[in-house]
Amino acid sequence: LAKTTQPISMDSYEGQEVNITCSHNNIATNDYITWYQQFPSQGPRFIIQGYKTKVTNEVASLFIPADRKSSTLSLPRVSLSDTAVYYCLVGEKWKGSGNTGKLIFGQGTTLQVKP
Amino acid sequence: NAGVTQTPKFRVLKTGQSMTLLCAQDMNHEYMYWYRQDPGMGLRLIHYSVGEGTTAKGEVPDGYNVSRLKKQNFLLGLESAAPSQTSVYFCASRTDRRGMYNEQFFGPGTRLTVL
Repeated sequence: LAKTTQPISMDSYEGQEVNITCSHNNIATNDYITWYQQFPSQGPRFIIQGYKTKVTNEVASLFIPADRKSSTLSLPRVSLSDTAVYYCLVGEKWKGSGNTGKLIFGQGTTLQVKP
Repeated sequence: NAGVTQTPKFRVLKTGQSMTLLCAQDMNHEYMYWYRQDPGMGLRLIHYSVGEGTTAKGEVPDGYNVSRLKKQNFLLGLESAAPSQTSVYFCASRTDRRGMYNEQFFGPGTRLTVL
């Protein structure tokens, strides 16, 4: 399984764009990159997923360079409600690609948004 | 749909006591997971299952046992609780279909204290 490394914490102010980078140097060919958000006293929830290049949805963008050894979660114009822990996961998506099913979370990045 | 539910929500045990945590999902998901989260830490995988009747070890399986007799349920057992097992336990499930995100859906967590 590919190990992921993220900054432990980040601070930002309301209205700013926040970029959180995750390193995954030993990512495998079949691995996808998935980001989750966790609020205090809640389970994590899915934000975005990608394989390469750029993916955008209604809440975030995910940038993945050609070598796929890192990825960057971009949160546009953050608000106080974006204060949370953000996790990057790397793993296979389905059995057909040799998926073991095992998914390991890293330590996550605690984002604190200030007024 | 209730999604992923966990029973109980809170529990206090004495050292040496046993208990079973129940996770149930109504989404017909193939994969189910048990994680623990200690204060200020990330999630650590205890055990997981890739289908009914199967289980596999995660990062921190010692002191825990699991069973998946029915597809919708995943049970986590503590045979002889220890204070080091004081934690919040999260269950998650996900599907396994080509072309889908196959993201994990998490339950609300069980807060366990072992005295």
